[in-house]
Amino acid sequence: DAGVTQSPTHLIKTRGQQVTLRCSPKSGHDTVSWYQQALGQGPQFIFQYYEEEERQRGNFPDRFSGHQFPNYSSELNVNALLLGDSALYLCASIPSLELVEEAFFGQGTRLTVV
Amino acid sequence: AQRVTQPEKLLSVFKGAPVELKCNYSYSGSPELFWYVQYSRQRLQLLLRHISRESIKGFTADLNKGETSFHLKKPFAQEEDSAMYYCALSEGWGTGTASKLTFGTGTRLQVTL
Repeated sequence: DAGVTQSPTHLIKTRGQQVTLRCSPKSGHDTVSWYQQALGQGPQFIFQYYEEEERQRGNFPDRFSGHQFPNYSSELNVNALLLGDSALYLCASIPSLELVEEAFFGQGTRLTVV
Repeated sequence: AQRVTQPEKLLSVFKGAPVELKCNYSYSGSPELFWYVQYSRQRLQLLLRHISRESIKGFTADLNKGETSFHLKKPFAQEEDSAMYYCALSEGWGTGTASKLTFGTGTRLQVTL
């Protein structure tokens, strides 16, 4: 089991551009969450997907959107990139939406906006 | 809204010394508390959770609801304990938001010889 995999590992974008990040959850997990981790900060919850629907959302603008596919993999899209969007983006999967289970994290995608 | 506070950005201790990483939280309900750890060049991973009451790698953490704290302790620090430690809170089963984690800003533990 490869665990949670994210791609790409690093990305450089220009202000105003759009970006798509990808995540494959751990085998057997159907719920995917996305977190943003700015330098020197803890991860901040962006949103969560279950059964191809957004179930919870953190305090992030509509420029941040996502998608979940039938195979449980997920995408995070950010439009109109700002310099402040530069961060490590983490994907986490859990086996069940309602249970307080261990979250398994990917290695993250380092996004740099210039 | 829930909040997790880790007051120390860096904690430096000698090998063999006791370790205490502080975590305080604010939440009106009954939270689930976790400690996640990130070793150098590795992904964030669960160290322990209060509900399991386990001791992992010699670390323990007790949930003190009166003081709203969940401090992480280890009696004798080892070099391999050097890492970034994050305290996290979940709103608990049945709230509809059980799987969302709120993290603190993290404490870097540095164990020196």
